Amino acid sequence: DTGVSQDPRHKITKRGQNVTFRCDPISEHNRLYWYRQTLGQGPEFLTYFQNEAQLEKSRLLSDRFSAERPKGSFSTLEIQRTEQGDSAMYLCASTYRGGGAFFGQGTRLTVV
Amino acid sequence: DQQVKQNSPSLSVQEGRISILNCDYTNSMFDYFLWYKKYPAEGPTFLISISSIKDKNEDGRFTVFLNKSAKHLSLHIVPSQPGDSAVYFCAASDYGGATNKLIFGTGTLLAVQP
Repeated sequence: DTGVSQDPRHKITKRGQNVTFRCDPISEHNRLYWYRQTLGQGPEFLTYFQNEAQLEKSRLLSDRFSAERPKGSFSTLEIQRTEQGDSAMYLCASTYRGGGAFFGQGTRLTVV
Repeated sequence: DQQVKQNSPSLSVQEGRISILNCDYTNSMFDYFLWYKKYPAEGPTFLISISSIKDKNEDGRFTVFLNKSAKHLSLHIVPSQPGDSAVYFCAASDYGGATNKLIFGTGTLLAVQP
């Protein structure tokens, strides 16, 4: 399978715990995006990497959120001290030169 | 400030008929537009796109129309099939910009009745 892969698919965590999600983009894609989707809304942009460089972060990405893309390959998104408001679907997407981005199946986070 | 708007939360269509999904945008910098289809608990799947230099793009049963002066685009699905039932998201980007991040609308739930 050569699509965008995300792990885990589902995560349930207690409030205050830290969680980390992983995204493996399509191998030749140098651009990687993280989005968040809540019920009744479209995906909202969180952050963007071109190769290993994080070039843009949304104001939605509070200090508790951090993302990395070491060596310009896979990416991780960590949320520290999770809150109930962090419950959402976290989506990763990749593309080569912009235009249509290809999305992974997402990680559904539930904070209890 | 919602830069991309899908004002119809839902649409119901009979199988075999045309489905028309609408989208409006406010940011004049947007020059590339996309439609995605999404099933529950899955990520969005790319359907079709259009650049601002065109006013129409077709791919099989799917056609996207762009009216730049009205800042409006629409997705036509002909003929509609029950398997088309899903949430459809309109998205826009500034293709010449630094990030090409996508700005999404809130989606339209399409139900195609057999």
